[in-house]
Amino acid sequence: GAVVSQHPSWVICKSGTSVKIECRSLDFQATTMFWYRQFPKQSLMLMATSNEGSKATYEQGVEKDKFLINHASLTLSTLTVTSAHPEDSSFYICSARRGLGEKLFFGSGTQLSVL
Amino acid sequence: DAKTTQPTSMDCAEGRAANLPCNHSTISGNEYVYWYRQIHSQGPQYIIHGLKNNETNEMASLIITEDRKSSTLILPHATLRDTAVYYCIVFTGYSTLTFGKGTMLLVSP
Repeated sequence: GAVVSQHPSWVICKSGTSVKIECRSLDFQATTMFWYRQFPKQSLMLMATSNEGSKATYEQGVEKDKFLINHASLTLSTLTVTSAHPEDSSFYICSARRGLGEKLFFGSGTQLSVL
Repeated sequence: DAKTTQPTSMDCAEGRAANLPCNHSTISGNEYVYWYRQIHSQGPQYIIHGLKNNETNEMASLIITEDRKSSTLILPHATLRDTAVYYCIVFTGYSTLTFGKGTMLLVSP
């Protein structure tokens, strides 16, 4: 299957700092990438959908100014958590697909801990 | 996307077949049945998907009822590494993938 690489696997940061998470499709071009968040013992919740070269579409309740998404190329999307606070601590997961009608492949996730 | 209903948890003995059921009674004609699994602290892994015919790959088999209102994922010889949360999702491929609560499968020695 296709490979989606996510980096870093885990990050610890101080409250008020910003953290960038990268998501790369290694062996295919991803027209669309998705960002999910997962709290302990809960299911994945979609945060936003990004298409290459256009602005991301955020789900209701997700602050677009806090969670900045950039999908500058067909193989790279980044999620930046700005001015992170302890309540932003979570497991963040990206996914990518080649195109409409295609299945999604997921990264290995990033565990963010904000102190 | 249509909702699915799965048991919260299931147990299976190592080496035996694991049969995970899923109800999707409101599935639309253009929606596929997808199965993903998530091992603790990892991203979801694609397992299999189908529209109306039964499907088999190196990981599992998918049995979809004729009326498409339910399906069963079969892991023919479960191993300890198959312990995970299994998600059944109906999805057109043109919308977003929405995860429910899934089934926690525990494979025991």
